[in-house]
Amino acid sequence: DGGITQSPKYLFRKEGQNVTLSCEQNLNHDAMYWYRQDPGQGLRLIYYSQIVNDFQKGDIAEGYSVSREKKESFPLTVTSAQKNPTAFYLCASSKLTAPYGYTFGSGTRLTVV
Amino acid sequence: RKEVEQDPGPFNVPEGATVAFNCTYSNSASQSFFWYRQDCRKEPKLLMSVYSSGNEDGRFTAQLNRASQYISLLIRDSKLSDSATYLCVVTFIDSSNTGKLIFGQGTTLQVKP
Repeated sequence: DGGITQSPKYLFRKEGQNVTLSCEQNLNHDAMYWYRQDPGQGLRLIYYSQIVNDFQKGDIAEGYSVSREKKESFPLTVTSAQKNPTAFYLCASSKLTAPYGYTFGSGTRLTVV
Repeated sequence: RKEVEQDPGPFNVPEGATVAFNCTYSNSASQSFFWYRQDCRKEPKLLMSVYSSGNEDGRFTAQLNRASQYISLLIRDSKLSDSATYLCVVTFIDSSNTGKLIFGQGTTLQVKP
């Protein structure tokens, strides 16, 4: 079955470390997205990509980086420059035209220790 | 003003009650509208699309009012399993001809026995 897979489910990071969150989809979707969700808050867009080797900053890109070397993969790196990285991170993918078929991964919960 | 606004709640209702949520959006060029459901510590999942003529799916009814720029979700005969956060989602095409999804912060529903 087609779907979108995020790993790991839980991740602990020490202060000053970079960590990379994985996101893979086999839905043949062109677009992929990374969101951050804090408790009691909505989803905020970090980065998105509509085509291989191209990506755009979202609303809260500072302290994060991404790459899109393959259509299926869109890893997110949380760098040491991100001052408050503890959050729930969600990856999503979609088609570029309606109906978008927007699909989320199951999320990665990142905690700074 | 937020692009998509929802009353965060929580809405506490007894089983069997009817409950309604509203969501307002600021961009009059918004094109598509959805309700997503998010369970605690899980990813959002599509509940239903919202069409101009209004649409129903079992106990759930969604309505769109373009003139007043709001959408609504009505849940009849509430079940304990309806307890979740309901996210309003709006799409529009931005100035770079890119489709964008904007999420509301969500409305929390708690159905009590």
